[in-house]
Parts: sequence; C-alpha cells; structure tokens
Amino acid sequence: DSGVTQTPKHLITATGQRVTLRCSPRSGDLSVYWYQQSLDQGLQFLIHYYNGEERAKGNILERFSAQQFPDLHSELNLSSLELGDSALYFCASSVASRPDTQYFGPGTRLTVL
Amino acid sequence: GESVGLHLPTLSVQEGDNSIINCAYSNSASDYFIWYKQESGKGPQFIIDIRSNMDKRQGQRVTVLLNKTVKHLSLQIAATQPGDSAVYFCAEISPGSARQLTFGSGTQLTVLP
Repeated sequence: DSGVTQTPKHLITATGQRVTLRCSPRSGDLSVYWYQQSLDQGLQFLIHYYNGEERAKGNILERFSAQQFPDLHSELNLSSLELGDSALYFCASSVASRPDTQYFGPGTRLTVL
Repeated sequence: GESVGLHLPTLSVQEGDNSIINCAYSNSASDYFIWYKQESGKGPQFIIDIRSNMDKRQGQRVTVLLNKTVKHLSLQIAATQPGDSAVYFCAEISPGSARQLTFGSGTQLTVLP
C-alpha cells in the first residue's frame, strides 16, 4: 500500500458526460501528479500540482482539468467524454516540488460507452 | 524526439533464476532514473532509483545498472520469484524546467514454475 488513495476504483459512463476522479496523496506529500494509462499510449503524464499550484502540464486535453485543494487532495475533471478516454487514471504523490520518487495510487478505471 | 524505451516487451524466466530487464534512453541529459513494477490491476510500485552520478545501486534482490556511455539502464532481479511476475517500467526525469517522469513502454516479466 503506497498510502495514496484514489476514488472511485471503477467508473462507467457514456460519451459526452463529465466525471470527477479524486486523489488523496500520502501524508506529508505536497505534490500530486496525474497520469493516464491506455493500452496504446502507455503511461502518459497529464499534470502536476504542488501545494495547490499547477507546476507542469503534459499531454492533457483541454477537456480535462485538475485542481489541488488546501487539504492537498486533488481532483481530475474529465468532460465531454469520448470513447478514447477509456483508460486507467493514476494519481501519484511525492514530498517535494521536484518530481523525483513518486508513489502511485491504485488507479481509477474509466470506461466510456 | 527524446524517449525512453525497452528492448524486449516480454521476458520469461524460470523461478529461482536471475532476471535482467533492459531499458534504453535517448536523452543524455537525463539525470535520474526509476524502475517501477506494475502488477495486474494495481498502480506502479517504486522498486529502485539511480542518479546519473552513479553506475550501480543495489536494493533487496534488485540491482540497477546505469551505463551512460551507451545510454542503457538495466534492472537485475536475483532469484526470481512468482511474485515478481509483473510489468516493469523504467522512467527518466526529463531535463529542463518541467522535469517530469517519462515512462518507457514496459516489459512483461513472467516467472515460470
């Protein structure tokens, strides 16, 4: 158990809908990262937050957004969902603002029908 | 573009044998590398890391070797056990201000009885 928690574990929704994925980092970690893992793209970095502020963006679509709250938990919002958004979404956390060793949560499996 | 890649997508070894998983990276400026293990249905789990000022680092039953001359990284697992069956990813810290983790495509390790 990495200490990172993610909810929900599974999510099934329809195209065009909007969903919110939640992540709680390890106690004491200030950085949260979001990744998408699909069969054809592997693990892709989406976005990084440190202590409530966005630090870096990766391959994140404009339909996706994220935020980190004062209690350091983070949410990833996915809107206007398409079939291709079906994937595993992982959250990871680390202590520092630098993305060194990251500890991953169990992931949320999103299925868009 | 810069990338991290794995030589072999699958590797099968007999239980008790040593395993060697290889990874090639193309960015000579990368200064930090991590190996992750991902079991089916779980998030990536940190195994071991190495910085570019080192060429070898040992953990419990695992050793990471870094050859900067040929930009090659390997993970050696001693006395491979059934519980070692998983997908193994190498990841590098991308240089520059973003310094995000870039993951390779992964190697599926199967331990045979």
